[in-house]
Amino acid sequence: QSALTQPASVSGSPGQSITISCTGTGTDGDINFYHYVSWYQQYPGKAPRLLIFDVSNRPSGIFHRFSGSKSGNTASLTISGLQAEDEADYYCASYTSNSNFVFGGGTRLTVL
Amino acid sequence: QMQLVQSGAEVKKSGSSVRVSCKASGGTLSTNEINWVRQAPGQGLEWMGGINPILGTANYPPKFQDRVTIFADESTSTAYMILNSLTSKDTAMYYCAARIAASGYNWLDPWGQGTQVTVSS
Repeated sequence: QSALTQPASVSGSPGQSITISCTGTGTDGDINFYHYVSWYQQYPGKAPRLLIFDVSNRPSGIFHRFSGSKSGNTASLTISGLQAEDEADYYCASYTSNSNFVFGGGTRLTVL
Repeated sequence: QMQLVQSGAEVKKSGSSVRVSCKASGGTLSTNEINWVRQAPGQGLEWMGGINPILGTANYPPKFQDRVTIFADESTSTAYMILNSLTSKDTAMYYCAARIAASGYNWLDPWGQGTQVTVSS
């Protein structure tokens, strides 16, 4: 079982860009981490919602300000043109070769 | 688009079991794997397992292997999660979430609204 590590918190001012990292420490069985990363946004008291799937793809209805990428064993979520409404918790997840889901610990985004 | 509607909040005693339901509308369980994810107060998301409707089998992580049962009733488009031997550490919000049961679909969408389970001694 892999572990996905995220920073506990990030912050930025309106209009700025921020990046949240998600680093995998997987074993051979978690090679799928490198492709099957998704990101979720969660507001307090609400259910998570899908932001990014398969590293860099946006579902319909998700603003282009949200983008995903991957370099080595680290996936990243970038939010451009930060807005107050982006203040939320963000989670990365990996679907592993064992058909399991593994989540990162979550990152609290504060818009200053 | 499919929506997932979960059963209401539960208050349980330590040592008992809880059953949470997740009903699909606007879609079918036959093509969706229903997964369960929990979130303890102030904590992150934790995957508890999922059921593949095509194979009819459930998959659990080691932590929950002995205490969780996930099953589905296709006739009512409802999936269930039973958690046994409850302790205060099981107090959490429990979510169901769907994954299209086919190769290449590796994300969870949509999610249910959540069911609060509170365990008291």
